[in-house]
Amino acid sequence: GAVVSQHPSWVICKSGTSVKIECRSLDFQATTMFWYRQFPKQSLMLMATSNEGSKATYEQGVEKDKFLINHASLTLSTLTVTSAHPEDSSFYICSAIPGQGSFSNQPQHFGDGTRLSIL
Amino acid sequence: QKEVEQNSGPLSVPEGAIASLNCTYSDRGSQSFFWYRQYSGKSPELIMFIYSNGDKEDGRFTAQLNKASQYVSLLIRDSQPSDSATYLCAVNKNSGYSTLTFGKGTMLLVSP
Repeated sequence: GAVVSQHPSWVICKSGTSVKIECRSLDFQATTMFWYRQFPKQSLMLMATSNEGSKATYEQGVEKDKFLINHASLTLSTLTVTSAHPEDSSFYICSAIPGQGSFSNQPQHFGDGTRLSIL
Repeated sequence: QKEVEQNSGPLSVPEGAIASLNCTYSDRGSQSFFWYRQYSGKSPELIMFIYSNGDKEDGRFTAQLNKASQYVSLLIRDSQPSDSATYLCAVNKNSGYSTLTFGKGTMLLVSP
């Protein structure tokens, strides 16, 4: 149980392109999903908390106009990297927690991640 | 002081030995503690979570929590080469809220 699917696994695209990444909870509903970024040999850095039906909460230093998050249903959140540049190349990982509301101490379950390379 | 600290390692143990991974955290109000395993190039997978002081065992894994010392550890018994990975400690520092703060991880190498 608690399977999170992330798509695509790999993206290679030219600078200036916008890239959309999908995160789906397959066997549970998730009011809250999270988006992380991980650079090589570094830990996960939370980018934003995605809440179904409302605006995402972005961490300090993360540009909300560059990293657009949409959480339109209880099983799907999307992250769009707009006008991507080489410095946006990273490993993007989503996670979700079962249940409703962001008030929860349940474990987060992670998708397989998306490796984004901007040329 | 970093919020969640782990020794980066690598921690090298022979196959069959006990691996002990440690984590300290700075926020005394932290409520929930999680251990994730991350293989190179992959996303984290949940190993264990613990909420109360003491030990929690699951198969070869034991999580230990000492809130007074702000310390959480993960013991892996009968370590296997397949356990070689980076182990991430994560702390839910806001009472009830689900955001996690991750440590940088400890790399574990289990040699055959």
